[in-house]
Amino acid sequence: GQQVMQIPQYQHVQEGEDFTTYCNSSTTLSNIQWYKQRPGGHPVFLIQLVKSGEVKKQKRLTFQFGEAKKNSSLHITATQTTDVGTYFCAGFDNDGQNFVFGPGTRLSVLP
Amino acid sequence: GAGVSQSPSNKVTEKGKDVELRCDPISGHTALYWYRQSLGQGLEFLIYFQGNSAPDKSGLPSDRFSAERTGGSVSTLTIQRTQQEDSAVYLCASSLMTGYNTIYFGEGSWLTVV
Repeated sequence: GQQVMQIPQYQHVQEGEDFTTYCNSSTTLSNIQWYKQRPGGHPVFLIQLVKSGEVKKQKRLTFQFGEAKKNSSLHITATQTTDVGTYFCAGFDNDGQNFVFGPGTRLSVLP
Repeated sequence: GAGVSQSPSNKVTEKGKDVELRCDPISGHTALYWYRQSLGQGLEFLIYFQGNSAPDKSGLPSDRFSAERTGGSVSTLTIQRTQQEDSAVYLCASSLMTGYNTIYFGEGSWLTVV
């Protein structure tokens, strides 16, 4: 079945440093979504990418969807303590039915 | 409603007892998903509904778990004869329909089996 993987599993950065998490799917995705989950909270939608090679920016966050639509990345520039949390990627398979989450990357930001 | 609503928010139950978790999706959302998240872990898919039907039940961990949805709205997840390993946060989410839409999560039901 479809599998979605993320690396790294954990990342500790000093405030102000950059951070990147990578998402890889075993199958082609029709789209990819990114969610952020603060400690003790529930996943909150950040963004959706649909097109091959698409790049979207939200302030200090840059999201990219790979050309083959099997991988994606989230890059945070100049991290802040408010960026702390777990970042999940998730995607629909090409049938649009099966929605699978990656295991998440847990980000810690040291002040 | 304004968002996905789940109840109870917290439940402590004794091993062997049955529990029911309820999810009220965003009004008009036809797709509803259940996930489980153990402490510090990722999201484990359990089941999803399109309308009242559940095309994919493959994620249910055992036959102690069942879910239903009536009227295309509220869903209940039932766990029979709870075990300690069932302790987790059970998250419900909904979207306009399956396929390509944003999924909105409820705040979860924290289940502790003692």
